[in-house]
Amino acid sequence: SAVISQKPSRDICQRGTSLTIQCQVDSQVTMMFWYRQQPGQSLTLIATANQGSEATYESGFVIDKFPISRPNLTFSTLTVSNMSPEDSSIYLCSVEPDRTFTDTQYFGPGTRLTVL
Amino acid sequence: DAKTTQPTSMDCAEGRAANLPCNHSTISGNEYVYWYRQIHSQGPQYIIHGLKNNETNEMASLIITEDRKSSTLILPHATLRDTAVYYCIVFSSKLTFGTGTRLQVTL
Repeated sequence: SAVISQKPSRDICQRGTSLTIQCQVDSQVTMMFWYRQQPGQSLTLIATANQGSEATYESGFVIDKFPISRPNLTFSTLTVSNMSPEDSSIYLCSVEPDRTFTDTQYFGPGTRLTVL
Repeated sequence: DAKTTQPTSMDCAEGRAANLPCNHSTISGNEYVYWYRQIHSQGPQYIIHGLKNNETNEMASLIITEDRKSSTLILPHATLRDTAVYYCIVFSSKLTFGTGTRLQVTL
């Protein structure tokens, strides 16, 4: 498995501002993912962030709203830009460890965002 | 991606086996079945996965029918800490989470 940490664990933000969420992994991984979980809902994949290439966004998510950086094999950031109350969600990163040779993903604890 | 169908909720007495069913009748031959769970306010936790053979690890057993159209996750001795939402996912190119089964383990 992999040990994943996220910062911040939670935040309360004003509409119109931006928040950058960090995801740190204890080992080098090629594939990292960002998910959103809206209140009372299941998880939805936002984008796949592979080191050395541009992030690949899922339908309904755009780079201008959710820019992602992946500067190295252990770290990634997701920015939620120009926030509105509809962005209030839990944001989770996950990784697919290279050494498992499977598609198993391991998730971080999540960042709980409230937008006022 | 193949769709999965799970009961919305289930109850299980502590110490008893919890059997969580999942239907995936449109699964393709090379698609794996994955199970995750999400304990309240935590990130999802990987449990087990399989292709066509039954699988067992320290957390659970996965029974996949011969036609692969359904599977059952078995927690052999459920405890209160197993109370969570359990997601059955057919993986092709990405993890697509459905609504899952909310398992409540009771005393």
